[in-house]
Amino acid sequence: GAVVSQHPSWVICKSGTSVKIECRSLDFQATTMFWYRQFPKQSLMLMATSNEGSKATYEQGVEKDKFLINHASLTLSTLTVTSAHPEDSSFYICSARAYGSDTEAFFGQGTRLTVV
Amino acid sequence: GQNIDQPTEMTATEGAIVQINCTYQTSGFNGLFWYQQHAGEAPTFLSYNVLDGLEEKGRFSSFLSRSKGYSYLLLKELQMKDSASYLCAVMDSNYQLIWGAGTKLIIKP
Repeated sequence: GAVVSQHPSWVICKSGTSVKIECRSLDFQATTMFWYRQFPKQSLMLMATSNEGSKATYEQGVEKDKFLINHASLTLSTLTVTSAHPEDSSFYICSARAYGSDTEAFFGQGTRLTVV
Repeated sequence: GQNIDQPTEMTATEGAIVQINCTYQTSGFNGLFWYQQHAGEAPTFLSYNVLDGLEEKGRFSSFLSRSKGYSYLLLKELQMKDSASYLCAVMDSNYQLIWGAGTKLIIKP
């Protein structure tokens, strides 16, 4: 089946620094990638939708200057958390929609971000 | 507004059967998904229903009634490893997933 690789699996960073998370579709072309954030014991919250070659669409309440998303190719999207603060500590998950598909079924492994 | 409702928590016994319900109200409908999520891990795809009826896949089955805005996930022959959260998600008219809060399933020996 389709595989989405997300890296790193976990990261600890100091407050004020930036962290980049990569999301790669390994065996298919992903025209659209989705970035989610999940706080403990809560459901996934969509942060932004990323289309290859265009600017990401952010959900209401998500700061686009803080969460930079780049979808430079059909197999790679990155999320950069800039000037991270402890409240940004969360589980970040990407998912990818295959080219020609209307369904979304492929998730990366997730990244546990802890800001200290 | 858009809304997905599912029970917060359920408990079942190993070897038994459990049904997790999901009701929804969304702007349009392009399918309903069930995902399994173990603590600290990303969700894993279980099923996709877009037409009414029952889809069976091994020990797991998923049912959909579009007229009632209702789905359920049926887990048979429960195993301890089935202890997880089960997320119901509906794809709306914009092909965006609307997520339920998840049902935490606890399996007891």
